[in-house]
Amino acid sequence: ETGVTQTPRHLVMGMTNKKSLKCEQHLGHNAMYWYKQSAKKPLELMFVYNFKEQTENNSVPSRFSPECPNSSHLFLHLHTLQPEDSALYLCASSQVGKSGYTFGSGTRLTVV
Amino acid sequence: QKEVEQNSGPLSVPEGAIASLNCTYSDRGSQSFFWYRQYSGKSPELIMFIYSNGDKEDGRFTAQLNKASQYVSLLIRDSQPSDSATYLCAVTPSNAGGTSYGKLTFGQGTILTVHP
Repeated sequence: ETGVTQTPRHLVMGMTNKKSLKCEQHLGHNAMYWYKQSAKKPLELMFVYNFKEQTENNSVPSRFSPECPNSSHLFLHLHTLQPEDSALYLCASSQVGKSGYTFGSGTRLTVV
Repeated sequence: QKEVEQNSGPLSVPEGAIASLNCTYSDRGSQSFFWYRQYSGKSPELIMFIYSNGDKEDGRFTAQLNKASQYVSLLIRDSQPSDSATYLCAVTPSNAGGTSYGKLTFGQGTILTVHP
């Protein structure tokens, strides 16, 4: 495996479900990010982890809960989501101190 | 005012022409500037970055930066139908020191269509 891998690629969940998105990077990077991409809106930064420590939470609702057990893995735990949370969720990684991201392929989330 | 602003398009150019994509940003202290290409249903991929005023060329792509005008552009020469995609401009903020260095703010993207 190379690059940044996200699973699942597609997810449909009800508003009462709990699910998790997974991201794994094989690039030796030490910074990881979650972004949300909705139709006709810019990519929205959600969370930043540097050296597995959360350094930014961009006013994200508590129904989104990130977890970064090590520099290679990042999770986004989801619970009691709303239909407006339906979007493409992108994980990215980079080296701390450098801004060139590598994105994963994303998880297309639909909340019903 | 949006932090990073792009014309959403669509921008339509004929094959072989020059496509010009523009981006303005509000944070005067921004230091690094990136262009990503995103095909429909795919994730963004980095195609160019620029840090200094002036032009930077890579193959058919040229990035241009004017910090005084807070303006960055991407030129695509000899446009091909395979260049049809959404082009995202991204900027690092001026408070880029410390642990949040690397955070990118994106524009909403410009849809480019290259027709044969």
